[in-house]
Amino acid sequence: DQQVKQNSPSLSVQEGRISILNCDYTNSMFDYFLWYKKYPAEGPTFLISISSIKDKNEDGRFTVFLNKSAKHLSLHIVPSQPGDSAVYFCAASESSGDKLTFGTGTRLAVRP
Amino acid sequence: GAVVSQHPSWVICKSGTSVKIECRSLDFQATTMFWYRQFPKQSLMLMATSNEGSKATYEQGVEKDKFLINHASLTLSTLTVTSAHPEDSSFYICSAGGLGSWGQPQHFGDGTRLSIL
Repeated sequence: DQQVKQNSPSLSVQEGRISILNCDYTNSMFDYFLWYKKYPAEGPTFLISISSIKDKNEDGRFTVFLNKSAKHLSLHIVPSQPGDSAVYFCAASESSGDKLTFGTGTRLAVRP
Repeated sequence: GAVVSQHPSWVICKSGTSVKIECRSLDFQATTMFWYRQFPKQSLMLMATSNEGSKATYEQGVEKDKFLINHASLTLSTLTVTSAHPEDSSFYICSAGGLGSWGQPQHFGDGTRLSIL
């Protein structure tokens, strides 16, 4: 039972353009959502988070949008840079500090 | 920022060997740590929640006698894979949430690649 899904296994974007990564979840108890960036053989690196009381959170080039009624969140990266190329995981928990349920990941490739 | 250190980063050993992996929080106290496992091209799956001073909570399907977790201090949790077999080969990653961690994200170690021959 995959409670957090990332339906696009890969995404290719031109440098300077916007990257939009999507994530859907099914568990209505999830209250806190995060995006992590991961390289092979390394641990995930935290990018940005959002709690369910908000619908948008922005940090530099990264913006996360949450649509609670649709159980959908997205990560926008603008402008995209080649160094952003990695696998991106969305994750959810029932509260901050609680165990995380991860999505299946989306491999982003930013073309120079 | 918060730093989580994991050691060793890579282990290759023979079948039947027990392997210990350490996870340390370097600049904060972690009452709770989490252990995840990632198989190639798959997502991270939670194995267990490690609680300082008490027994770990294991996810369904994870054998607690095979994956021993000890969280003896606020800065160290260990995962011991006992009598490891080739099917235990995987990438193991720990994460930590600190005291008063509301609103704070979990930070992850760099992972341990375990290869059982």
